[in-house]
Amino acid sequence: EAQVTQNPRYLITVTGKKLTVTCSQNMNHEYMSWYRQDPGLGLRQIYYSMNVEVTDKGDVPEGYKVSRKEKRNFPLILESPSPNQTSLYFCASSFLRQGRDTQYFGPGTRLTVL
Amino acid sequence: EDKVVQSPLSLVVHEGDTVTLNCSYEVTNFRSLLWYKQEKKAPTFLFMLTSSGIEKKSGRLSSILDKKELFSILNITATQTGDSAIYLCAVEPSGTYKYIFGTGTRLKVLA
Repeated sequence: EAQVTQNPRYLITVTGKKLTVTCSQNMNHEYMSWYRQDPGLGLRQIYYSMNVEVTDKGDVPEGYKVSRKEKRNFPLILESPSPNQTSLYFCASSFLRQGRDTQYFGPGTRLTVL
Repeated sequence: EDKVVQSPLSLVVHEGDTVTLNCSYEVTNFRSLLWYKQEKKAPTFLFMLTSSGIEKKSGRLSSILDKKELFSILNITATQTGDSAIYLCAVEPSGTYKYIFGTGTRLKVLA
């Protein structure tokens, strides 16, 4: 089944404790992206990647890191989480050229930073 | 600064009603506009529009883009309770590979 998976789905952590949210897709998509969703602010893009070893900042990259060492995986790293990073996070993927705009979203990761 | 504004923020209708959701944008060098439906969790793709005036249609849902006036509308006819969701509009500025989302319209359809 074609899908985007994220782990963990729910996470409660404390300020300053490094964490990684994994994202994996099985559709051979070149393009992958991370978003956060907050009430009243909608979806905001954090980082995106056009292919292996090619990443770029979205609108809200501060406090986040990403890497794209393999085509199927695009982990989101919070080196020192803070309470303002409490949010619902989505990973998405698509082809880079034809069909690019049909992004497939993962199920979401609900992160709470205390 | 590029931005996307959706209206109304929320809407409550009864089954069978027709609704029109609005998306206006201020984006430099527009490439495409997309509509998504978000029910419980992950958004799912509905339409992509790149050319002005062309209507995209899927069943009871349709969408049209006006590139001159910088807006799009999403119409849902004969609404059903299963249409209850948040509808998201996103725009991609040309040559950026970035997506700018609006805050969404929350639609509730009552039986």
